[in-house]
Amino acid sequence: AQSVTQPDIHITVSEGASLELRCNYSYGATPYLFWYVQSPGQGLQLLLKYFSGDTLVQGIKGFEAEFKRSQSSFNLRKPSVHWSDAAEYFCAVGLNYGQNFVFGPGTRLSVLP
Amino acid sequence: SQTIHQWPATLVQPVGSPLSLECTVEGTSNPNLYWYRQAAGRGLQLLFYSVGIGQISSEVPQNLSASRPQDRQFILSSKKLLLSDSGFYLCAWMGQENTGELFFGEGSRLTVL
Repeated sequence: AQSVTQPDIHITVSEGASLELRCNYSYGATPYLFWYVQSPGQGLQLLLKYFSGDTLVQGIKGFEAEFKRSQSSFNLRKPSVHWSDAAEYFCAVGLNYGQNFVFGPGTRLSVLP
Repeated sequence: SQTIHQWPATLVQPVGSPLSLECTVEGTSNPNLYWYRQAAGRGLQLLFYSVGIGQISSEVPQNLSASRPQDRQFILSSKKLLLSDSGFYLCAWMGQENTGELFFGEGSRLTVL
C-alpha cells in the first residue's frame, strides 16, 4: 500500500538557520511528489511539486526539494529560515496521475527568534 | 481567478445531531473535489472525492456521506454525529488538467460534544 512517512513530528530551528524536513514514501510506480504548508487554522498551500525531470525542484518562499529515487525520499530544504516559516509541513504522494493523494502525518516547524 | 469557499468556519454540535458542511468553487468548471479530515496532531485523511456531478468515491467507511448536487458544490453530511467526528475538515479542488496541485479551502472546525 502507498504510504508517506515524515520521521520528525516537531522541529525547532533558529531564525536564519538552515532547514531540512524529511519525507519518505512507499509507492510502486513513479510518484508525483508534493510539499504543502499549513498555517494554524488554515488550509494548505502548495510549496512545490515533482512530476519528472530535474530531481531538484524549486518552490515558493525560497524552498527547494530533492527527489532521490534510490532512497525513496523527497526532502524539503531552505537555506535560511524566517520566523514566518513557522507552520506545519506536509509531504504528499499523488496517485493515479494526480487524481488522488496520500499525505504524510506532517512536521511542525517552530522558529526561534 | 479560481476561489474556494467553505462554511461554516467553526461548528459546535451535540452528539447525535446532523451535520452539513458546504464547499463551493468559483472560476473553474468540472473540477475534481475532495473532502479531507485532519484530526489533532495527525495528517490528512481523505474522506471522499468526486470527479463529476453525482459521482462520489468514499475512501473510508464511516458515519459521513458526501454529495455533489452541482458541478462546483460539494457537501459533507452526517445524520447523527459521533464524538469521533470532531476535527478539522478541509475541502479541496483540482482542475481537470490534472496538474496535481490541490487548492484547499480555509477549513471547518467541528467540535462534537
